[in-house]
Amino acid sequence: AQSVTQPDIHITVSEGASLELRCNYSYGATPYLFWYVQSPGQGLQLLLKYFSGDTLVQGIKGFEAEFKRSQSSFNLRKPSVHWSDAAEYFCAVGDSTQGGSEKLVFGKGTKLTVNP
Amino acid sequence: GAVVSQHPSRVICKSGTSVKIECRSLDFQATTMFWYRQFPKQSLMLMATSNEGSKATYEQGVEKDKFLINHASLTLSTLTVTSAHPEDSSFYICSARAQAGQYFGPGTRLTVT
Repeated sequence: AQSVTQPDIHITVSEGASLELRCNYSYGATPYLFWYVQSPGQGLQLLLKYFSGDTLVQGIKGFEAEFKRSQSSFNLRKPSVHWSDAAEYFCAVGDSTQGGSEKLVFGKGTKLTVNP
Repeated sequence: GAVVSQHPSRVICKSGTSVKIECRSLDFQATTMFWYRQFPKQSLMLMATSNEGSKATYEQGVEKDKFLINHASLTLSTLTVTSAHPEDSSFYICSARAQAGQYFGPGTRLTVT
């Protein structure tokens, strides 16, 4: 069964600092991987996704993520964090045999706090 | 493009009553929609998969008679929480499947008093 682990429950960074949010997955085949962001009381916005090809994926709002098969990881990065990036971030894995848009399994999320 | 709406955004109901939540894909057709539930400070848990014109598929542990799902058109799925109880209070989020992936609605905060 698929599973996603986000080891960090809460991360605090200073505005302008770099950011890396960790995500590890468990899946038998090549996974479809996603990062979503959720602001308080809101739905989820897709930041980026990996289906195949280049393992470094560029997303919206200056985010990127790198798929590392050997480490079963899909960490999210941003070189310089803005105060508006404060939110909850969810990593998710989808079933590649179903085209990646079927059932998603989410990690527990990482809450990002940005200090001025 | 790929906008999904939910209505209502917030609802408060009394214990024992039923509540209907709507999920609409505004600019695309979705044969498949998903309903998730999110407890405070928790991740999203898939409740059921809603397929247009057929019965929904429920995840293990989700009571299908309590959480009624109807997907009557290619742009609308509804979740009805029947005989709601305080433990049903939660944040309910739907998503609609598009070619490029799933797009999520803004969520509905249900409070049962």
